[in-house]
Amino acid sequence: SQWGEENLQALSIQEGEDVTMNCSYKTYTTVVHWYRQDSGRGPALIILIRSNEREKRSGRLRATLDTSSQSSSLSITAAQCEDTAVYFCAPDSGYNKLTFGKGTVLLVSP
Amino acid sequence: AQTIHQWPVAEIKAVGSPLSLGCTIKGKSSPNLYWYWQATGGTLQQLFYSITVGQVESVVQLNLSASRPKDDQFILSTEKLLLSHSGFYLCAWSQGGDSDYTFGSGTRLLVI
Repeated sequence: SQWGEENLQALSIQEGEDVTMNCSYKTYTTVVHWYRQDSGRGPALIILIRSNEREKRSGRLRATLDTSSQSSSLSITAAQCEDTAVYFCAPDSGYNKLTFGKGTVLLVSP
Repeated sequence: AQTIHQWPVAEIKAVGSPLSLGCTIKGKSSPNLYWYWQATGGTLQQLFYSITVGQVESVVQLNLSASRPKDDQFILSTEKLLLSHSGFYLCAWSQGGDSDYTFGSGTRLLVI
């Protein structure tokens, strides 16, 4: 079965630093979702990247997708304290099954 | 604008007791609906999905069941709770295809 899996489980950085989270998956997908989850809340989509995009930006966020290596990454430029959250990648396997990775806990300190 | 509402916000239930959690989506016709479960500190695990009224597909077996009695309503239930059912239950909707999922605020369940 397909799943998303972040390579790092927890990251702690200082405000203003850049950070990248990686995600690898096992089976074919053309879409990778990236969500962030704040404590006690449901996940919220931050970027959705399709195979024909390879790279997508949204403000300080940048996502990449490499279908040949079955991997995706999410980068945050000049991280701020409010970026502290858990980040999940979720490759879309189709058939109404969106599988979430283990998640990366990002802590941004002032 | 579409809104998604989950109820109750939190529950404390005894082992062996029944459970019913609800989810309502407003402002969207014929959404695809999903139930997810999240253990404390864990990832999200998809439980069920539904693409139309009266039709529900199970993704994993956790001694839970789901129903979609109306186009805008999705219910998660069980007749006998287990300690392992504790966690955070999330409902989500999407337009189908490869569109994004929108999640509700969740229901936190503690089984004692």
